[in-house]
Amino acid sequence: KAGVTQTPRYLIKTRGQQVTLSCSPISGHRSVSWYQQTPGQGLQFLFEYFSETQRNKGNFPGRFSGRQFSNSRSEMNVSTLELGDSALYLCASSPRGRTDTQYFGPGTRLTVL
Amino acid sequence: AQSVTQPDIHITVSEGASLELRCNYSYGATPYLFWYVQSPGQGLQLLLKYFSGDTLVQGIKGFEAEFKRSQSSFNLRKPSVHWSDAAEYFCAVGASGGSYIPTFGRGTSLIVHP
Repeated sequence: KAGVTQTPRYLIKTRGQQVTLSCSPISGHRSVSWYQQTPGQGLQFLFEYFSETQRNKGNFPGRFSGRQFSNSRSEMNVSTLELGDSALYLCASSPRGRTDTQYFGPGTRLTVL
Repeated sequence: AQSVTQPDIHITVSEGASLELRCNYSYGATPYLFWYVQSPGQGLQLLLKYFSGDTLVQGIKGFEAEFKRSQSSFNLRKPSVHWSDAAEYFCAVGASGGSYIPTFGRGTSLIVHP
């Protein structure tokens, strides 16, 4: 099976813009989680989707949002970008309805100038 | 709330030497515990996980970890390190009930000298 894919791999934006990142889970996986990874804060959970419903949400402002489509593909959106949003955004999918076993994609490196 | 501490930011070992990476967790009940590895520019790969049962867990790439409830620890070990093991290692704890969303430690960077 193909692994988790994320597009684009690299992205450069300026402050105030918005960005959409995409994640395609492993075929058959229905749970998709998103994480932000920065040198300062480490790995932080953003949100988790299962069957098109947001099931869990981390402690991030409302500028961060996501959705999941019927084919389990997921997108996350960040509006009004700030310099501090520069990070590696990781997507992970899980084979069951639980996130106890996650398979991570390579991430999208977002740089905000 | 659960938390994870990885006391060592960097660990340097010689190729062929043994390795132990430390992980301490805080969680009120029996946790789910994980070790992940991240190579530069890559996502995370699961090395091993502990849910219940035998407290010594075998993982991929020759790694093992031991769950010690009395010490709230889940240290990762490898008897002989290879240069390709150089990477960032993350310990994570997940709640054993509910959403299982893992909380990650800050990571330990492993440097391998030839």
